[in-house]
Amino acid sequence: GQSLEQPSEVTAVEGAIVQINCTYQTSGFYGLSWYQQHDGGAPTFLSYNALDGLEETGRFSSFLSRSDSYGYLLLQELQMKDSASYFCAVSLTGANNLFFGTGTRLTVIP
Amino acid sequence: DAGITQSPRYKITETGRQVTLMCHQTWSHSYMFWYRQDLGHGLRLIYYSAAADITDKGEVPDGYVVSRSKTENFPLTLESATRSQTSVYFCASTTTTNYGYTFGSGTRLTVV
Repeated sequence: GQSLEQPSEVTAVEGAIVQINCTYQTSGFYGLSWYQQHDGGAPTFLSYNALDGLEETGRFSSFLSRSDSYGYLLLQELQMKDSASYFCAVSLTGANNLFFGTGTRLTVIP
Repeated sequence: DAGITQSPRYKITETGRQVTLMCHQTWSHSYMFWYRQDLGHGLRLIYYSAAADITDKGEVPDGYVVSRSKTENFPLTLESATRSQTSVYFCASTTTTNYGYTFGSGTRLTVV
């Protein structure tokens, strides 16, 4: 089976940087995605890593190390609107769907 | 309007009743998915479809039925609702199964 581990909660200060980690144990790993979900809303796609290294999209960056079965989402210049849940999700070779982690609730405080 | 829409937004039903949740997308995406979201479990896959008339079970399919006679529609039916099926249900679609899913707004289902 598959398993993903991410912290359940993280709190950070507005304007700061926060890193949300995700470790995975899977068979046939293909790539790692990140999704954001505000309370009462739908998950929205943030980023995808299939290769080792850092992908940057504005204030958000995502990193993957396939050898360590580890990735993280980095949020810079935190804003209050970044308060949300963040999910990592793995895609697997030979599978036509994503397997999601249980999510990290980020709270940004003034 | 282009997008993915789910209906109803909220639904209360009684134990034992049949209920159908609707999902419609306007992009002609090949892949469509149904996930349920419960506290502490994240998003769990119920069923998915790779194309019209092609469906497959996900992680938690028991008690659910799907069909996909048209590319744009992917309804989810609870044949005989149980309290354990109280959840938020999300439909999603994509052109590639590895990433970039677009989710609908969700249906909050309560079984009493």
